[in-house]
Amino acid sequence: GENVGLHLPTLSVQEGDNSIINCAYSNSASDYFIWYKQESGKGPQFIIDIRSNMDKRQGQRVTVLLNKTVKHLSLQIAATQPGDSAVYFCAENKGGANNLFFGTGTRLTVIP
Amino acid sequence: DAMVIQNPRYQVTQFGKPVTLSCSQTLNHNVMYWYQQKSSQAPKLLFHYYDKDFNNEADTPDNFQSRRPNTSFCFLDIRSPGLGDAAMYLCATSRGSSNNEKLFFGSGTQLSVL
Repeated sequence: GENVGLHLPTLSVQEGDNSIINCAYSNSASDYFIWYKQESGKGPQFIIDIRSNMDKRQGQRVTVLLNKTVKHLSLQIAATQPGDSAVYFCAENKGGANNLFFGTGTRLTVIP
Repeated sequence: DAMVIQNPRYQVTQFGKPVTLSCSQTLNHNVMYWYQQKSSQAPKLLFHYYDKDFNNEADTPDNFQSRRPNTSFCFLDIRSPGLGDAAMYLCATSRGSSNNEKLFFGSGTQLSVL
């Protein structure tokens, strides 16, 4: 079936290092992707998005890369901080009415 | 400054006892969604309203119902909660339903079923 999946369920990084969270998708019709951050006991919070006509988008300390050839999405966090510890979800919109399909999620732990 | 507000944050109900979760928004968004999120899993869409039009996901059990009396409020009714319905329930809104609309989530209601 078509899905959005993550390569790693957990990721631990040292404070100050860069983090890379990966996501694979298999629906070539998906044209919009979002990364969400979810802290414990809270709802998902929008981080950054990218449309399929782009391959890179940068925000504050975050960069999303999209490789449509291999159907791969990644989130890069620069100079990771303890406040970045959370579960990160990628989500794809398959077109039509707004219906986000979330991936499994990766738990990022920042070691002080 | 909360824009999507869910009440209560924690809800405990008994097996089979109907329960209602509420969501309100100050964004004046047209679309409101209900997601179910079980422990360590991704959020799963149950249904959404575009204005007053209800859109149910094909695999959402009949046990789950929703009401949207006005633009600001949306309710999730679980008619006969089972143990498997214990989860975080997330409400979200978006301005429209186009492909690239951002969703704004509330903090969720954690439902326990005893």
